[in-house]
Formats: sequence, C-alpha cells, structure tokens
Amino acid sequence: KQEVTQIPAALSVPEGENLVLNCSFTDSAIYNLQWFRQDPGKGLTSLLLIQSSQREQTSGRLNASLDKSSGRSTLYIAASQPGDSATYLCAASTDSWGKLQFGAGTQVVVTP
Amino acid sequence: ETGVTQTPRHLVMGMTNKKSLKCEQHLGHNAMYWYKQSAKKPLELMFVYNFKEQTENNSVPSRFSPECPNSSHLFLHLHTLQPEDSALYLCASSQDRGRQPQHFGDGTRLSIL
Repeated sequence: KQEVTQIPAALSVPEGENLVLNCSFTDSAIYNLQWFRQDPGKGLTSLLLIQSSQREQTSGRLNASLDKSSGRSTLYIAASQPGDSATYLCAASTDSWGKLQFGAGTQVVVTP
Repeated sequence: ETGVTQTPRHLVMGMTNKKSLKCEQHLGHNAMYWYKQSAKKPLELMFVYNFKEQTENNSVPSRFSPECPNSSHLFLHLHTLQPEDSALYLCASSQDRGRQPQHFGDGTRLSIL
C-alpha cells in the first residue's frame, strides 16, 4: 500500500525566506503527484500537478520537483509572504483511475 | 469560489440522528468524490462516483450512505454515527474519474455528540 509522508508537520519562517516542503512516498509506481494548499476551515486548492514522466513543474513563485527513483517530491516557495501561511498537502496518484493517497500535510506560518 | 458547494458548512448531531450532507458542482464534471479529513490524519477517500455510478467504496461503514442522483449532485446520508466520525467531510469533482486535478469544496465540519 502506498504511504505518503510529509516532514516537518509544522514550519515557521520569517517573511522573505524561501520555503522547502518535503514529501516522500513508498511506491515509486505513481501516475502523478500533486501539491495542494488548504487554508483554515477551507477545502483544498490544487497548486501543481507533476506527471510521472516529468521532473518538475513551475507556477510563479512555486516550483515542485519529482524524483520517482528516490520516492521524493519537494515544493519550493520563493520569497515567502504572510499570505503563504496555510497547510500544504501532497498526494500521489496510485492508479490510472486517479485514486489519491494524501500525506498529513505541513502547516506553514510566515511571520511578517 | 471553487465551483463546488457544500452544505451545511457545520453540523452538530447526536448519535441517533439522521442527517444528510449535500455537494453540488457547477463545473460540468462527471466524477465526484467524498473524503474524510480527521485531525492530524491524511485525507481518506470514502466514495467515488463516475457518471452517477459508484466506482469506489473504500471500506466505509454502512452508517455512511452515499447518493448521486446526477453528475452535479452528491449526497452523504448519515445515521447512527459514532464520536470518531467527527471530522471535516470534503467533496471533490473532476472531469472524469482519473482526470486530475480534483476541485474541492470547503467541506462540512461534522461534530457527533
């Protein structure tokens, strides 16, 4: 069974610092990997989707990398802002039907 | 506005009550999902519907009963729930089952007394 782990569970950084969030998965046979953002009391917003054939995806200040051989994905957020404070979740798609296995998330606080 | 609307946003019920959660999507998607999010635990997939047909039941207890009358609406009927069922219940939709990304609603916060 695919297991997805996110470390650390919580992270606090000063504004302007770059954020590095880690996600590891046990089964490298994934179809894709997604990063989501969740604000308190809200649902999930998809940030980046990396297909299994890709090594990275970029959107604005966000960059996500994927290394299937080592079972790792990393989300980089450049020049963090207080508005980036949220919980970030990664999810691996474990079959062609799109079933997602989620990590427990990393709670990020960016202090002004 | 994500295009996926869930009601109610909060629900408090006793263990003997019967209630329903509602999800509606305005995105023209064909697949809809129910997830459970408990404190400090990963999201757990509960049910998947594709073109109104249930395609996945992730070993969910029978006290949770889903209903999908059409591709735009999804319900979760609740009865005789337990305290450990208290959680955030999230609905999501995607173009088709297997097509990413999934679009999520803001969830229903359920508390069982």
